[in-house]
Amino acid sequence: DTEVTQTPKHLVMGMTNKKSLKCEQHMGHRAMYWYKQKAKKPPELMFVYSYEKLSINESVPSRFSPECPNSSLLNLHLHALQPEDSALYLCASSQGTGEGPEAFFGQGTRLTVV
Amino acid sequence: EDQVTQSPEALRLQEGESSSLNCSYTVSGLRGLFWYRQDPGKGPEFLFTLYSAGEEKEKERLKATLTKKESFLHITAPKPEDSATYLCAVQGSSNTGKLIFGQGTTLQVKP
Repeated sequence: DTEVTQTPKHLVMGMTNKKSLKCEQHMGHRAMYWYKQKAKKPPELMFVYSYEKLSINESVPSRFSPECPNSSLLNLHLHALQPEDSALYLCASSQGTGEGPEAFFGQGTRLTVV
Repeated sequence: EDQVTQSPEALRLQEGESSSLNCSYTVSGLRGLFWYRQDPGKGPEFLFTLYSAGEEKEKERLKATLTKKESFLHITAPKPEDSATYLCAVQGSSNTGKLIFGQGTTLQVKP
């Protein structure tokens, strides 16, 4: 089973709202990722968690706050977003971060900020 | 700086018309080169991992090959259901798990 589950599938939020995106995997993977994808562009890395610790933050604004409660779960907390933050947010997981293991992606959350 | 360039940007084929997609890369210490398929509004679907020059992988109508500078995704006798955007990505030697993606090739196969 190579499934990464993301909820919700769609989210519309106002600029003053607080919301959270959730991601879950049961493959025993030790690395989890958040990517952002704008229309007709490739995914861009936001955060990397390795063994439940944040290992990479790609200079993401503080209005995005990641959290890894355990090795199977990854959350992305959203607060005071801007319309330009509207995008497809993708979660991924892999066995680890070294030796080129493949990453498996979820179906994404389509976020619209109004 | 690690970089991935895919060509062509878009490709239209007739059903049954074989072709190849190109992925050129520069990376310091290749850990892996990955091919993904992405349908509109969906997450990327993993297809192949290639680790070293000369390696080949096959899955149904798709075959991926790797040299020291580029990778090809060969599509043999494509069907309309093969229509999608194909993404190439590399992981370098930093051991961070970070994937560097190309811009993708959008393939349309007409019946």
